[in-house]
Amino acid sequence: DTGVSQDPRHKITKRGQNVTFRCDPISEHNRLYWYRQTLGQGPEFLTYFQNEAQLEKSRLLSDRFSAERPKGSFSTLEIQRTEQGDSAMYLCASSLAQSTDVAGELFFGEGSRLTVL
Amino acid sequence: AQKVTQAQTEISVVEKEDVTLDCVYETRDTTYYLFWYKQPPSGELVFLIRRNSFDEQNEISGRYSWNFQKSTSSFNFTITASQVVDSAVYFCALRTGANSKLTFGKGITLSVRP
Repeated sequence: DTGVSQDPRHKITKRGQNVTFRCDPISEHNRLYWYRQTLGQGPEFLTYFQNEAQLEKSRLLSDRFSAERPKGSFSTLEIQRTEQGDSAMYLCASSLAQSTDVAGELFFGEGSRLTVL
Repeated sequence: AQKVTQAQTEISVVEKEDVTLDCVYETRDTTYYLFWYKQPPSGELVFLIRRNSFDEQNEISGRYSWNFQKSTSSFNFTITASQVVDSAVYFCALRTGANSKLTFGKGITLSVRP
């Protein structure tokens, strides 16, 4: 499978616990994005990387959230001290951004659904 | 700031009917990109089409067609002869020239009944 893969697909945790999600992008893609989607809403941007550099973070990304892409390949999104409001689908996407075209389409994974009890 | 409005929330049609999904966008940028994505029950967002702000040529691809009108800031999507497999949530999204992130609308849930 050469698409974007995310793990785990589902995570149920108790409030206060830490959780980590992993995303493996399409191999030649240099950009990687994290979005959050709650029920009945469209995806909301959280952060994105170009190679290993984190270039933008949304105000939605509180200090309990941290994302990394250490070698410019896979990425992790960690949520510390989870709250019930963190329950959502966390979507990862990747794209190939070339200098002459900033708008390469995003390819999304199937998401990681988080339920905080 | 960018904004995408999908005023329709749920649409239900009978198979073989045509259906149009509306999208209105707001941006002050002169260079921008518009997208439609489909999200089936599996959850994965599937890219359907991208249009550039400087290309208002409308497009037909099989049963899908898109109507981009800058004068009304609209980018509507039509499915001709709908099929049950078209049932999904459809998102319109906007990206401006200097920005890398997509701004999504709230989505339209399309149900196609046999």
